[in-house]
Amino acid sequence: DIQMTQSPSSLSASVGDRVTMTCRASQNINSYLIWYLQKPGKAPKLLIYDTSTLQSGVPSRFSGSGFGTDFTLTISGLQPEDFATYYCQQSQSLPLTFGGGTKVEIK
Amino acid sequence: DVQLVESGGGLVQPGGSLRLSCTASGFTLRNYWMHWVRQAPGKGLVWVSRIIFGGTDTVYADSVKGRFTVSRDDAKNTLYLQMNSLTAEDTAVYYCARRRSTSGWPTDFDYWGQGALVTVSS
Repeated sequence: DIQMTQSPSSLSASVGDRVTMTCRASQNINSYLIWYLQKPGKAPKLLIYDTSTLQSGVPSRFSGSGFGTDFTLTISGLQPEDFATYYCQQSQSLPLTFGGGTKVEIK
Repeated sequence: DVQLVESGGGLVQPGGSLRLSCTASGFTLRNYWMHWVRQAPGKGLVWVSRIIFGGTDTVYADSVKGRFTVSRDDAKNTLYLQMNSLTAEDTAVYYCARRRSTSGWPTDFDYWGQGALVTVSS
């Protein structure tokens, strides 16, 4: 199975900050990397697929990059609604696997 | 609007069984591969199972293989997850999720149900 490791596990930031988090795969997953946002008690929401393609309706302050094993999610100008937990997921092969999450908290 | 609504969760004793349902609306279920993903309390997301068009192929995580069965009734726009021989480790919120793409390989999920809580405890 492909292991997905996210870092940091949590971070504190202020509204307006630029925030970056990473996701590392245990083997090459090409560009098959997805990012979700999840708020407490809610289902995950698709943000980015294929490493860098924004899902319809997702604000342009979100961006993704990377290839192979190392990936990054950046939020340029953190908004109040962005405080949540972010998960990465690989779809290179089954079983699909998720990272442990990065929780973005208010500083 | 696209909606996925799970039902059937609840409290079950170890060794017991439960069947979850996921009713789809706002889109044609038969055109999509569907998945189940679970999340234990306070933990991360874990993929459980996948079923393709027509239900002719299914895949499971090792942790549930032989105990869980995914099926679909496209005429009823409903996806199912039959869970047998449940243990405390199966306690989680179970989500059904729609694969965004109707073709090709990439598997990301554009719509999720609200989740159904399954608690396995005596």
